[in-house]
Amino acid sequence: GAVVSQHPSRVICKSGTSVKIECRSLDFQATTMFWYRQFPKKSLMLMATSNEGSKATYEQGVEKDKFLINHASLTLSTLTVTSAHPEDSSFYICSARDRPYGYTFGSGTRLTVV
Amino acid sequence: GENVEQHPSTLSVQEGDSAVIKCTYSDSASNYFPWYKQELGKRPQLIIDIRSNVGEKKDQRIAVTLNKTAKHFSLHITETQPEDSAVYFCAATPDTGRRALTFGSGTRLQVQP
Repeated sequence: GAVVSQHPSRVICKSGTSVKIECRSLDFQATTMFWYRQFPKKSLMLMATSNEGSKATYEQGVEKDKFLINHASLTLSTLTVTSAHPEDSSFYICSARDRPYGYTFGSGTRLTVV
Repeated sequence: GENVEQHPSTLSVQEGDSAVIKCTYSDSASNYFPWYKQELGKRPQLIIDIRSNVGEKKDQRIAVTLNKTAKHFSLHITETQPEDSAVYFCAATPDTGRRALTFGSGTRLQVQP
């Protein structure tokens, strides 16, 4: 089946620094990548949709200058959390649509900002 | 956009009993309804899905039913086992390839041995 590789799996950073999360589609071309955030004991909330070669579309309430998304190729999408603060600590997970397998998820990144 | 509501938020059953989780959706354009099982700190795992052209789908102990008119769909797990204990999410989308899944709020299922 389709595989999306997400790195890093865990990251601890200091408040005010930036963190980059990568998602790579290993055996298919991901024209569109979806980025979700999940707080403890909560559901997955869509943050943004990135399309290869164009600007990402952000959901209401998500700061595009804080969560920078780049989808420069059909196999790589990145999410950069800029000037991270403790309230940005969360589980971030990417997902891509791959016919016929459906929606494939990365393994997630646990971000802790101290 | 799509809005998915899921009930109950927690469900405790005895081993061997059945469990039912229900979801409703709002967007009549939605045509793909997957169910995911998520363990702590892990990615969601697809357990079953259904498309709008069928009303029911079964895979061993797991079944999903869909009522498009009422805009609701349900997950049925029979003969529950302790390893079924996890958080379950329903989701919905108009599956165009560029639309994301919208998730329900989740159900924490606990199967008591």
